[in-house]
Amino acid sequence: EVQLLESGGGLVQPGGSLRLSCAASGFNFTNYAMIWVRQAPGKGLEWVSGSSGSGTNTYYAGSVKGRFTVSRENSKNTLYLQMSSLRVEDTAVYYCAKADTSMVRKNWFDSWGQGTLVTVSS
Amino acid sequence: EIVMTQSPATLSVSPGERATLSCRASQSVNSNLAWYQQKPGQAPRLLIYGASTRATGIPARFSGSGSGTEFTLTISSLQSEDFAIYYCQQHNNWPPYTFGQGTKLEIK
Repeated sequence: EVQLLESGGGLVQPGGSLRLSCAASGFNFTNYAMIWVRQAPGKGLEWVSGSSGSGTNTYYAGSVKGRFTVSRENSKNTLYLQMSSLRVEDTAVYYCAKADTSMVRKNWFDSWGQGTLVTVSS
Repeated sequence: EIVMTQSPATLSVSPGERATLSCRASQSVNSNLAWYQQKPGQAPRLLIYGASTRATGIPARFSGSGSGTEFTLTISSLQSEDFAIYYCQQHNNWPPYTFGQGTKLEIK
């Protein structure tokens, strides 16, 4: 059974940094691209970032480019999202999700974690 | 960036009846469209990909259709557990992957 478990969320001041983790199990982690999607309170879903299975190729939404960095440690079956220069509008539940292939390409997302809440506030 | 627009924003349907949800893309996404279901406090769940292929374990009462810019999710006979928010997502042009704003399916 595929399991994804996010952690690392919390309260941070504007301009601060936070690192999210997503621990994966139940599948061959290296063989699948992974993404981060966020959901602001009461709002819809927004794709944030994606990483190919090898971690070589990474992609970002314009709203976070230059501030967020996605990475993965395949030996630990873990995906990360390093967030810096955080803004109030980054407040959201952050989900990691598994793509259908190893490449970030025309993907749908077949398994999701339960999410971790990031609150950016002074 | 492709903009996905869902309608209606809220749909009220009685249990046992049929529900039809719509999703429109601002430009063609071919058949590269997915549907997700999200219940309060839960993560999204993949229902449909490739516009019409049901994901593993999804009941046959869920069906998807369409191509190009117009898509439909149909739930043939609503069960109590189907009342939720439904999102479409294009998986043709990336980055970014884009989602619709959601349709809330509520009990009439």
